[in-house]
Amino acid sequence: DTAVSQTPKYLVTQMGNDKSIKCEQNLGHDTMYWYKQDSKKFLKIMFSYNNKELIINETVPNRFSPKSPDKAHLNLHINSLELGDSAVYFCASRGGETQYFGPGTRLLVL
Amino acid sequence: AQSVTQLDSHVSVSEGTPVLLRCNYSSSYSPSLFWYVQHPNKGLQLLLKYTSAATLVKGINGFEAEFKKSETSFHLTKPSAHMSDAAEYFCVVSAYSFSGGYNKLIFGAGTRLAVHP
Repeated sequence: DTAVSQTPKYLVTQMGNDKSIKCEQNLGHDTMYWYKQDSKKFLKIMFSYNNKELIINETVPNRFSPKSPDKAHLNLHINSLELGDSAVYFCASRGGETQYFGPGTRLLVL
Repeated sequence: AQSVTQLDSHVSVSEGTPVLLRCNYSSSYSPSLFWYVQHPNKGLQLLLKYTSAATLVKGINGFEAEFKKSETSFHLTKPSAHMSDAAEYFCVVSAYSFSGGYNKLIFGAGTRLAVHP
């Protein structure tokens, strides 16, 4: 069983489009995260939710809107996609001190 | 504030030789530290973690790291490299916000390990 899963794995789209990435964890954790990995492999936190409540928003443009329908899911919706949004987006779930990462969604904006 | 610095962006070793990936940290309190590995086009896998127990931490695939408070270091080592160890390695510190009541990970810039036959 996959602990943290993301869909889709790859996403290629045009500038200006709106897209969503879904994340699900079956670990029973309360806290989930979204991270962005840029082309230089640098990883930075974007958002965190605890039990469906937003607790971290790291000055991400408001074109990015996370949504947590329940504590096992944290989805990321992106409006008006820009070239600079091209990156790998990772979802993670926290148990104790440890975060468990999904396989990533590679987004390419053309 | 918490931060980590990975001292080498690239490390190249021969198969069968030791691996040393260096990491220094900065923390205003006793930190939790992690090493994650990312194989090409893959997700992030936890190698090992230090959370204020034993200072020498053993992880998966023969890796280990030693927490040295006096040197503010948490270097990753392996006695003998395998070809399959070629990947990107991230040193990570856990940062807790007492005012916000939340926990987040702060990543180093990564070290790319190349293993040659």
